[in-house]
Amino acid sequence: NAGVMQNPRHLVRRRGQEARLRCSPMKGHSHVYWYRQLPEEGLKFMVYLQKENIIDESGMPKERFSAEFPKEGPSILRIQQVVRGDSAAYFCASSPASGYSGNTIYFGEGSWLTVV
Amino acid sequence: AQKITQTQPGMFVQEKEAVTLDCTYDTSDQSYGLFWYKQPSSGEMIFLIYQGSYDEQNATEGRYSLNFQKARKSANLVISASQLGDSAMYFCAMRGNNDMRFGAGTRLTVKP
Repeated sequence: NAGVMQNPRHLVRRRGQEARLRCSPMKGHSHVYWYRQLPEEGLKFMVYLQKENIIDESGMPKERFSAEFPKEGPSILRIQQVVRGDSAAYFCASSPASGYSGNTIYFGEGSWLTVV
Repeated sequence: AQKITQTQPGMFVQEKEAVTLDCTYDTSDQSYGLFWYKQPSSGEMIFLIYQGSYDEQNATEGRYSLNFQKARKSANLVISASQLGDSAMYFCAMRGNNDMRFGAGTRLTVKP
């Protein structure tokens, strides 16, 4: 859904550099989700955030990865000291509220990270 | 913990025929939502259809319908009158009280 904006769409980093991926949710959405998709695999949940709060980070690697969703501005997924195994597509999604209700989750077009 | 299972890594269907993509789930949440997404080769995630756990009627959206069997915890996607453009990866997902989890996906190939 074009309403969720991710940038950059493609990012190339050398091993050891930092990667920052940004996600601007749809207008009015206060919940953001980050997913990682390795080549030929499904989406793996990483982290779920509300404004200024991390709700669930059970899918985040313990080291090098962090995420934030400040009161103002986009959500940031930060990967420090990237390694080749971090090469993947990173999808951001947003929703207006939590819970099971019919509020669906809208995805951005993804950010493709390549580590060389 | 929630778990989504798609047991068909790949499926083939003849153009204009119907195809069913399987999805089973496991959750302890009383209320939840079930979703199907399509991911073409271009990579974007396209929302197809949604079913709420308390919805009595099976959801339908054009050529897509969701065969929801709550007691069996299954939420199969039925695509009628397949088209060549339906060739893509299809992901089943479930949303409970918090996050949303995905199955491993099924790659559908429509044959002309």
